[in-house]
Amino acid sequence: LAKTTQPISMDSYEGQEVNITCSHNNIATNDYITWYQQFPSQGPRFIIQGYKTKVTNEVASLFIPADRKSSTLSLPRVSLSDTAVYYCLVGPDAGGSYIPTFGRGTSLIVHP
Amino acid sequence: GAVVSQHPSRVICKSGTSVKIECRSLDFQATTMFWYRQFPKQSLMLMATSNEGSKATYEQGVEKDKFLINHASLTLSTLTVTSAHPEDSSFYICSSPGSAGGETQYFGPGTRLLVL
Repeated sequence: LAKTTQPISMDSYEGQEVNITCSHNNIATNDYITWYQQFPSQGPRFIIQGYKTKVTNEVASLFIPADRKSSTLSLPRVSLSDTAVYYCLVGPDAGGSYIPTFGRGTSLIVHP
Repeated sequence: GAVVSQHPSRVICKSGTSVKIECRSLDFQATTMFWYRQFPKQSLMLMATSNEGSKATYEQGVEKDKFLINHASLTLSTLTVTSAHPEDSSFYICSSPGSAGGETQYFGPGTRLLVL
């Protein structure tokens, strides 16, 4: 399984753009990159998923360079409600059956 | 998107008792469900993979006789914490890849277990 590395924590202010980078040097050819958001005492929530280049949805953008060894989650104009832990996962595994494995995640704190 | 529910949302029990947590897929059939445990300020730790109609696969270090998993239907998986102890107090979360399978996981809201 590809291992992921993220910054443990980040701080930002309301209205700013936040970029969280995840390293996944051992990503496999058939692996996708998926980001989740988790608020305290809640289950994680899907944010965005991509395979290469750039993906954008209504809440975030995901940038993936050509070598796919890293990815960057971009949150435009964050608000206080974006304070959460963000996890990046890569999968499926080489066996073809995906077992999601969470790293430590990035704790984002948005200040007024 | 697919919806996964958990019941109860929180439970308090005495040491030595057993607690059952239900995980339901509300609008899809879940062949596979995953069970996680999360301690305060820590990440989700995968406990086991639950497959409908077959025995669960447990991660290393997770006692299968203590954490009983039953996945008898395509919409329900249960986790029973037997003879619970205070160190079992944690946040338990289930997820499923949905009927299409694959990389995106749909998570339940979690169950907070407190063992006194």
